[in-house]
Amino acid sequence: KAGVTQTPRYLIKTRGQQVTLSCSPISGHRSVSWYQQTPGQGLQFLFEYFSETQRNKGNFPGRFSGRQFSNSRSEMNVSTLELGDSALYLCASSPGRLNTEAFFGQGTRLTVV
Amino acid sequence: GEDVEQSLFLSVREGDSSVINCTYTDSSSTYLYWYKQEPGAGLQLLTYIFSNMDMKQDQRLTVLLNKKDKHLSLRIADTQTGDSAIYFCADFYNKLIFGAGTRLAVHP
Repeated sequence: KAGVTQTPRYLIKTRGQQVTLSCSPISGHRSVSWYQQTPGQGLQFLFEYFSETQRNKGNFPGRFSGRQFSNSRSEMNVSTLELGDSALYLCASSPGRLNTEAFFGQGTRLTVV
Repeated sequence: GEDVEQSLFLSVREGDSSVINCTYTDSSSTYLYWYKQEPGAGLQLLTYIFSNMDMKQDQRLTVLLNKKDKHLSLRIADTQTGDSAIYFCADFYNKLIFGAGTRLAVHP
């Protein structure tokens, strides 16, 4: 059974640009959550999607958005990039909402210059 | 608000037991988790415990939960060099709230 796949693994963008990250959950999993990991703030929850609907949202500005498709794949978008958005973005896959097991992908390392 | 705290560093000798501690504040937590992160990698789910349990054992891993004190620990028996990594404690209600991570260094 394939794990959680995040693409791309690495990205370098310029301030002011926008970026889209992709996450394909484990087959059969319907919940996808996104987390940002930085040395200063640690791991912080961005949002959760289940059945194509955002179910929960963390304390991030509106520049951070996401969506989920009917096949459960999810994308997150960051517009008007700032230097502080440089981070490892991790996606977690769960069979359903409030589920016991959340499996993470390898992450996308975003560097904003 | 919710908070999870862990000590930042732990150094142990190969073959000894490691104990990583964690405290949390959210009494609504349903599950508590331990994740492992190696350099350049994502998070690997090691084990989790339901909030109404006291202990869970899984091969070399033992999780102890003191719900009254909101204290969680992870014991790794016979620690190996391959166990060197950062270990994250997390609690879950509507989302995962992570601690800052404990860096475990295993030396010969």
